Amino acid sequence: TQLLEQSPQFLSIQEGENLTVYCNSSSVFSSLQWYRQEPGEGPVLLVTVVTGGEVKKLKRLTFQFGDARKDSSLHITAAQPGDTGLYLCAGDKAAGNKLTFGGGTRVLVKP
Amino acid sequence: KAGVTQTPRYLIKTRGQQVTLSCSPISGHRSVSWYQQTPGQGLQFLFEYFSETQRNKGNFPGRFSGRQFSNSRSEMNVSTLELGDSALYLCASSLVVSGRETQYFGPGTRLLVL
Repeated sequence: TQLLEQSPQFLSIQEGENLTVYCNSSSVFSSLQWYRQEPGEGPVLLVTVVTGGEVKKLKRLTFQFGDARKDSSLHITAAQPGDTGLYLCAGDKAAGNKLTFGGGTRVLVKP
Repeated sequence: KAGVTQTPRYLIKTRGQQVTLSCSPISGHRSVSWYQQTPGQGLQFLFEYFSETQRNKGNFPGRFSGRQFSNSRSEMNVSTLELGDSALYLCASSLVVSGRETQYFGPGTRLLVL
């Protein structure tokens, strides 16, 4: 069982549609990071959320950290083919502890 | 600054052999972490080195080992390879800013064990 559960595991949508990816846990995290990984490459950090209830926007991407710091969501507005990739959430339980990764959500945006 | 580099990018080995993978962190980063990524298990933490010392270790058997050199470059070694060791091995170097660690990943080494 993953400490961080991501849903859905796979999402296929048409260009222009919106999508939301969820990252849930029963544990509290001091911070949560979202990464995007493209085929043949390593994960690239998109954002770090730290405060419960925090919302961060990165162009068409909106990240939210739950009030209890146990869950997070990533919402993409008007998805584009360039948004295709594996989205990973990773939690940091305390300073000095290593990140725990979710299983990932594979997103395919069709033109 | 140059990013994290990993060599080789692709590797094919047979069961029972051993393999050494190399990682050069971003200049100035002293922490290097290794991860194994497979379709079934996702990204799993192997170990972390800081200033040539192993600082954290994941739940992998002793066949997986690593080391870090004085220039922060790191190597990981897998002995007596098994089919299940086929995976993408990712290295990440990290920097602590305002008390928070940010990891930067390399492109990975894809290992296939036949």
